Amino acid sequence: QSVLTQPPSVSGAPGQRVTISCTGGSSNIGAGYGVNWYQQLPGTAPKLLIYGNTNRPSGVPDRFSGSKSGTSASLAITGLQAEDEADYYCQSYDSSLSGWVFGGGTKLTVL
Amino acid sequence: EVQLLESGGGLIQPGGSLRLSCAASGFTFSSYAMNWVRQAPGKGLEWVSGINTSGGGTYYADSVKGRFTISRDNSKNTLYLQMNSLRAEDTAVYYCAKDLGIVGIGALDIWGQGTLVTVSS
Repeated sequence: QSVLTQPPSVSGAPGQRVTISCTGGSSNIGAGYGVNWYQQLPGTAPKLLIYGNTNRPSGVPDRFSGSKSGTSASLAITGLQAEDEADYYCQSYDSSLSGWVFGGGTKLTVL
Repeated sequence: EVQLLESGGGLIQPGGSLRLSCAASGFTFSSYAMNWVRQAPGKGLEWVSGINTSGGGTYYADSVKGRFTISRDNSKNTLYLQMNSLRAEDTAVYYCAKDLGIVGIGALDIWGQGTLVTVSS
């Protein structure tokens, strides 16, 4: 059971907007620690999509955006494309565990 | 080109030891904290261990504390993970990953291709 909770799966049609939630608690997201998001395409290493809640590394399309409120964070993907089909993971720091934690991952299916 | 290349994975019996290496190139290795993250077959990501730039600060997940040791050799641009007392549940692809470099964020911006460790008799 992951400290950060994500829905196992989400789906959307090409061109649509989808959001992926990441729910934590008072020892991680709610304590003010930043949230990072990663995309993992099948058979490849994860790729950093969002860091520090809302920031995109160079090269990541602005179709991807992050937000945070209270003990939760969200990743939004607009203008959904077939190549967005992947697993997505959130990450934050947990003070109770004294370490970094990942969400369980969300599989995005583009219909 | 910024690159991380892991090696050292393989099949090992329960209770055995293995040392993973991660060779870095294309960036100033000594300026960035580094981490190991693993992924069991068909499962999600799990942070395993981290080390600061000098090697004087090391951090571990509870699941590996006391069994795994992270280290680095800045003169060789190489990160290591010494794994002892291996268990079946340690079976995973092990990735080394570079910290983005923003204090307190913990974002991992460069990842290796991973090396598979299989613990089985």
